[in-house]
Amino acid sequence: AQSVTQLGSHVSVSEGALVLLRCNYSSSVPPYLFWYVQYPNQGLQLLLKYTTGATLVKGINGFEAEFKKSETSFHLTKPSAHMSDAAEYFCAVSLMNRDDKIIFGKGTRLHILP
Amino acid sequence: EAGVTQFPSHSVIEKGQTVTLRCDPISGHDNLYWYRRVMGKEIKFLLHFVKESKQDESGMPNNRFLAERTGGTYSTLKVQPAELEDSGVYFCASSPQGGRGSPLHFGNGTRLTVT
Repeated sequence: AQSVTQLGSHVSVSEGALVLLRCNYSSSVPPYLFWYVQYPNQGLQLLLKYTTGATLVKGINGFEAEFKKSETSFHLTKPSAHMSDAAEYFCAVSLMNRDDKIIFGKGTRLHILP
Repeated sequence: EAGVTQFPSHSVIEKGQTVTLRCDPISGHDNLYWYRRVMGKEIKFLLHFVKESKQDESGMPNNRFLAERTGGTYSTLKVQPAELEDSGVYFCASSPQGGRGSPLHFGNGTRLTVT
């Protein structure tokens, strides 16, 4: 069965610092992996996704994530945090390699310190 | 293009009352999904409509929850009678096609508080 673990329910970084949000997954088949973001008072928005091919995936707003099969990880990074990045981030894995039947992690709230 | 819209944005009801949540998907999206996030926990799948048919309702917690999508347009999710553990944020999402290559578009959610 698929599952997702996000390390840290809250992460704080200084503006301009590296953002690293950790995600590990469990899947019995090659997974589809996603990062979604929820800005305050908004719905979830797809940041990026990995399906097959290149393991480094680039998303919107300067975020990227790398699929590492050996570590069963899909960590999200951004070189330089901006105040507007403050939001909650959800890692997710799909059931049966679909874009819709997805299992979410518990979410990590990212705080940006001035 | 208008996004997925959900009504109301917030609802506070007492235990035992009934609440109906509404979701208007993006026009032309045949696939409609309901998800729920209970405080501090994962966002969990509830059910999936393809047009007016329930494709998958494996995530519905119990028979107090009833989802409908008459005519294949908007959907409603009724909770009757509401219990304290039903509190959370209910998200609706839509996509033009299910399966691969069709990311979900989420609404802003309805925050339900049962007191």
